[in-house]
Amino acid sequence: EPEVTQTPSHQVTQMGQEVILRCVPISNHLYFYWYRQILGQKVEFLVSFYNNEISEKSEIFDDQFSVERPDGSNFTLKIRSTKLEDSAMYFCASSEVLGNQPQHFGDGTRLSIL
Amino acid sequence: GNSVTQMEGPVTLSEEAFLTINCTYTATGYPSLFWYVQYPGEGLQLLLKATKADDKGSNKGFEATYRKETTSFHLEKGSVQVSDSAVYFCALSDRGTGNQFYFGTGTSLTVIP
Repeated sequence: EPEVTQTPSHQVTQMGQEVILRCVPISNHLYFYWYRQILGQKVEFLVSFYNNEISEKSEIFDDQFSVERPDGSNFTLKIRSTKLEDSAMYFCASSEVLGNQPQHFGDGTRLSIL
Repeated sequence: GNSVTQMEGPVTLSEEAFLTINCTYTATGYPSLFWYVQYPGEGLQLLLKATKADDKGSNKGFEATYRKETTSFHLEKGSVQVSDSAVYFCALSDRGTGNQFYFGTGTSLTVIP
């Protein structure tokens, strides 16, 4: 069964550094998402992406964050200048269509900011 | 707005016990409801879904019924196994308010032999 793959599985970065989290969505999916889960808290929506542009974003997704689909397969989340509170598990997801259909999630990248 | 409230954990059960994990929701439109499961070290996997009131989602012995009158989507399984040990997340999506999923806090289940 096709899967969403995320790399790296764990990223350790110094505060203030830029980090790029990578995702390869399922190949025939058109809609892509990033979520994060701070330890012990809810999974929170960050951003959705369709047709090479952001379709929705949450209040969390401020100017420090950006997303890109640099080629036909990758979908990246960049954090420009990381803060301690960015430490979390980041999940990428994709879906084939809209309309209350399931989103398929990757295994996540654990981001630790020192 | 949209939100999901999920039963606090952790839950510890003996093998073959009956499982209920409560989930209630608030939504402004007509949401679809989902249960996701996260096994240790893995990502979120769709367990089951229901897209309209009175629908019952089922998979791997788990069931949940979309109850609009009580705004609930409780997860049940008649006889749990050790392999069911995982974190379970209730979620909703409401196309009327966008494409994002709203998740509960997750309920950790440990099944002991």
